[in-house]
Amino acid sequence: AQKVTQAQTEISVVEKEDVTLDCVYETRDTTYYLFWYKQPPSGELVFLIRRNSFDEQNEISGRYSWNFQKSTSSFNFTITASQVVDSAVYFCALRNAGNMLTFGGGTRLMVKP
Amino acid sequence: GAGVSQSPSNKVTEKGKDVELRCDPISGHTALYWYRQSLGQGLEFLIYFQGNSAPDKSGLPSDRFSAERTGGSVSTLTIQRTQQEDSAVYLCASSLDHLSSPLHFGNGTRLTVT
Repeated sequence: AQKVTQAQTEISVVEKEDVTLDCVYETRDTTYYLFWYKQPPSGELVFLIRRNSFDEQNEISGRYSWNFQKSTSSFNFTITASQVVDSAVYFCALRNAGNMLTFGGGTRLMVKP
Repeated sequence: GAGVSQSPSNKVTEKGKDVELRCDPISGHTALYWYRQSLGQGLEFLIYFQGNSAPDKSGLPSDRFSAERTGGSVSTLTIQRTQQEDSAVYLCASSLDHLSSPLHFGNGTRLTVT
């Protein structure tokens, strides 16, 4: 069985601050994929990034960056210079050989102007 | 558009009635998932269909819940004898049959049981 834990249920920052959303996972599989999704107030789930278990390179996309560390089973997400439009619930998820996608509980990010 | 389509977008029903929720996946996507999201909560897995294989029903909360997928495409989630605790947003997602393929979500059906 696999599990994804997002220990931070809510984070509040002021615009332009950097913020890191934590994600820790558990799985017995050696091959798996990790994902981050964004759910803005409108409700739709938007895919942000995927990372496979054999690729520990960090990734940067604009103000977003992701740090994958197998040694600590973590896949953390950092937003640099946060903006009000970043306010949303962010979900980390794990997909394993059974094709099941297991979600963490989500982190609600509130960026205040 | 070519996204996942769910209908209805909103459904209000009386306790004890049956409801059917529909999902049209992206064409060519062999994997289809149903999740449930209660207000302010995370996503709860319900059921997963993959091609012609038997569905993974391990997430269905009770025998009042069932789902089918006809012709490997459209799926219907049925809730019998609805209860107030069934009130939630029901999300459908589809993907290609590969670990790397992200799930594409529909906008969900908001179910309210009065």
